[in-house]
Amino acid sequence: GAGVSQSPSNKVTEKGKDVELRCDPISGHTALYWYRQSLGQGLEFLIYFQGNSAPDKSGLPSDRFSAERTGGSVSTLTIQRTQQEDSAVYLCASSLARISSYEQYFGPGTRLTVT
Amino acid sequence: GQSLEQPSEVTAVEGAIVQINCTYQTSGFYGLSWYQQHDGGAPTFLSYNALDGLEETGRFSSFLSRSDSYGYLLLQELQMKDSASYFCALSPMTTDSWGKLQFGAGTQVVVTP
Repeated sequence: GAGVSQSPSNKVTEKGKDVELRCDPISGHTALYWYRQSLGQGLEFLIYFQGNSAPDKSGLPSDRFSAERTGGSVSTLTIQRTQQEDSAVYLCASSLARISSYEQYFGPGTRLTVT
Repeated sequence: GQSLEQPSEVTAVEGAIVQINCTYQTSGFYGLSWYQQHDGGAPTFLSYNALDGLEETGRFSSFLSRSDSYGYLLLQELQMKDSASYFCALSPMTTDSWGKLQFGAGTQVVVTP
């Protein structure tokens, strides 16, 4: 079946502009995660959605970052007034449920470059 | 809270065996996962240890010892395609962290001919 998809695959934007990154999780997966990965670094947790529960936003680095998940499926990560330090690969992942969060399926990522 | 430590890089020749250690400090967790990530690619799930002991999946095995706060990923019969980064990840047991994964910084495995 289809895996996790993300769009766009690459995004170049000017400092100060807003960007929206999209994630389509695997159908039927109730848990959805956003991570950020800088070059050669590990995965930095950003936000986590589980079903209809309030999202866990504890990893968002500033109030310029927000995310929503509509209809329990597609998610959008929005970065307002982008800064150069926001340049990274943004990865989305989904898992069947919270109890199976140990096995996450990742999308190919969106490479964001802020100039 | 929790933290995980892994070596930054390991180099080995084709056909060899490599062990990637992951030590952790945590107040409680459900299990330890391992992920593989090739350059420019997405992380992919390799294995999960909920209980102490060895889990074997083909050429890869993973081990967990809760009493020693330690786990490892064993890569046998190394192939060039195994050159990648490998991440260990904990599933925290705390109420505010359940459902999230805490990732280590990753180990770059370099396989040489």
